[in-house]
Amino acid sequence: EVQLVQSGAEVKKPGESLKISCKGSGYSFTSYWIGWVRQMPGKGLEWMGIIYPGDSDTRYSPSFQGQVTISADKSISTAYLQWSSLKASDTAMYYCARIGFGELLSYFDYWGQGTLVTVSS
Amino acid sequence: DIVMTQTPLSSPVTLGQPASISCRSSQSLVHSDGNTYLSWLQQRPGQPPRLLIYKISNRFSGVPDRFSGSGAGTDFTLKISRVEAEDVGVYYCMQATQLWTFGQGTKVEIK
Repeated sequence: EVQLVQSGAEVKKPGESLKISCKGSGYSFTSYWIGWVRQMPGKGLEWMGIIYPGDSDTRYSPSFQGQVTISADKSISTAYLQWSSLKASDTAMYYCARIGFGELLSYFDYWGQGTLVTVSS
Repeated sequence: DIVMTQTPLSSPVTLGQPASISCRSSQSLVHSDGNTYLSWLQQRPGQPPRLLIYKISNRFSGVPDRFSGSGAGTDFTLKISRVEAEDVGVYYCMQATQLWTFGQGTKVEIK
């Protein structure tokens, strides 16, 4: 069974750094792209970026380029999303999602449960 | 950037009745490879999104056949033939022809 399990909720202060994780299981982690999607409170979904854990090839949405860093550690089947200096406007739910293969290429077919990040002084 | 526009933004429906959501893209979603990368996702309250439909009309694994997708080019539709209580939530169209963008979401609720 394909599963993406994300790290738990975080409460941080503005200016602090943060790294959240997404662990894949039930499939070959290195063979599928993983994407990150932001959902601000009460709002819709925004694609942030993707990574191919096999070689760490990473692409960012222009809206998030330079604002976050996406990485992966294939030895532990885990992808990461990190901030060096959080802002209150980073308060949101963050989802990781797998991009499918074959007929499902380009589609987010499996999703993590989400990590709620709250940034407040 | 491709902009996805959904209508309506809210859809109160009687149990057992059909529901329909439209999604329009700002430009054609036909990729140079000939495919149209349009999907629909469901987000139940307090849950992560879930893939329902991909490639316009293909139901993902485990999705009930009361859900169907149709359309071409820039205009797409998701239909629920008979709404059940578990269908309450927000539905998003998503294009993957040129990077990824989502519609604003349509809230389906029971009257």
